[in-house]
Amino acid sequence: GQNIDQPTEMTATEGAIVQINCTYQTSGFNGLFWYQQHAGEAPTFLSYNVLDGLEEKGRFSSFLSRSKGYSYLLLKELQMKDSASYLCAVREGLGAGNNRKLIWGLGTSLAVNP
Amino acid sequence: DADVTQTPRNRITKTGKRIMLECSQTKGHDRMYWYRQDPGLGLRLIYYSFDVKDINKGEISDGYSVSRQAQAKFSLSLESAIPNQTALYFCATSGAVNQPQHFGDGTRLSIL
Repeated sequence: GQNIDQPTEMTATEGAIVQINCTYQTSGFNGLFWYQQHAGEAPTFLSYNVLDGLEEKGRFSSFLSRSKGYSYLLLKELQMKDSASYLCAVREGLGAGNNRKLIWGLGTSLAVNP
Repeated sequence: DADVTQTPRNRITKTGKRIMLECSQTKGHDRMYWYRQDPGLGLRLIYYSFDVKDINKGEISDGYSVSRQAQAKFSLSLESAIPNQTALYFCATSGAVNQPQHFGDGTRLSIL
């Protein structure tokens, strides 16, 4: 079956670094997305990985290993406003290109403490 | 102005009522999606559309219907609302297949 696993909750301290892991088992693979969602608000796009390696965007980086079915989101210099849920989503690889589904994880709720 | 606009933002209604949630976008994207989000269940896809003539069921389409009136508009209807359809509903759009989805601000729907 198709599955995405993320830790349910994490806590970290302001100014620190936190790594949020995501493991997936899907029918093929065509890219992995990370989104941030503040409570009661819309998810917003953070990063996209389709090839192995690290993608860096300011304080946020995302890593992918396709052979291990594994990704992580790294948040540096944590700020209070980073308290949010972080969603991992994988585009599966089956079917015609247009019909490849996006499989969503349940999200990791990150609390940043002073 | 928001690129993806959902109306209404909040709605409280009674069991058995017909409800329509509307979504419009100015991003020029062909692909549009409706999701619901429930605590502990994450985002679940209800319906999606890749162009005006294309409508597809998602994983939880029972009890819902959609209409793609134009490239920019995609509405979701609950023909006869029931309490377990109480949820936060999101509309999203995307460009090419590997482009990220852009979400509206959501509609918080409560069915009594």
